[in-house]
Amino acid sequence: EAGVVQSPRYKIIEKKQPVAFWCNPISGHNTLYWYRQNLGQGPELLIRYENEEAVDDSQLPKDRFSAERLKGVDSTLKIQPAELGDSAVYLCASSGDRGRNTEAFFGQGTRLTVV
Amino acid sequence: AQSVAQPEDQVNVAEGNPLTVKCTYSVSGNPYLFWYVQYPNRGLQFLLKYITGDNLVKGSYGFEAEFNKSQTSFHLKKPSALVSDSALYFCAVRRSSGSARQLTFGSGTQLTVLP
Repeated sequence: EAGVVQSPRYKIIEKKQPVAFWCNPISGHNTLYWYRQNLGQGPELLIRYENEEAVDDSQLPKDRFSAERLKGVDSTLKIQPAELGDSAVYLCASSGDRGRNTEAFFGQGTRLTVV
Repeated sequence: AQSVAQPEDQVNVAEGNPLTVKCTYSVSGNPYLFWYVQYPNRGLQFLLKYITGDNLVKGSYGFEAEFNKSQTSFHLKKPSALVSDSALYFCAVRRSSGSARQLTFGSGTQLTVLP
């Protein structure tokens, strides 16, 4: 069974440019998460989806970040415009059984460098 | 609000010795608790979880963790450390009831096993 797939693995952009990340969760998993992980720190939740509905986006900087999960499967996370402080690893994860007592499975992440 | 504390940024242990990585949590109601491991340039890999039942849970690669409700702790342990166990370890918590399914991570503990 394929795991959570993210692309690209690495992205380098200049500040003020837009960038997008893509995530394909494990088949059948209805809960999808986007996390941001700064160097040497734990992941911090940006947004959580239950199917196609964003149910927890309180930590998403909505002035520049947006996300969507069309048809409740794949998801994209966009930053426009990017700032130097957005440099981090962006992790996507998914879980089944409505995400309550099951573990989340993580993709390998996208390492974003804003220069 | 829920939170996780990993009081040690770094743990060093000699190969063959037992290891402990500490974790304490704060959450409303009963917790679901998780341990993940992260190798360089990789996503988070699930190790083990506590949902209910026996306070001692066993997971992948010989790791185990003990849930202590009175001390709100969930320490990760292994009887005999291997050099290949060297990695970054994260503890995480989720509420067991209610609508919030946010998975909150600690700041991580870098484990180094010395040959």
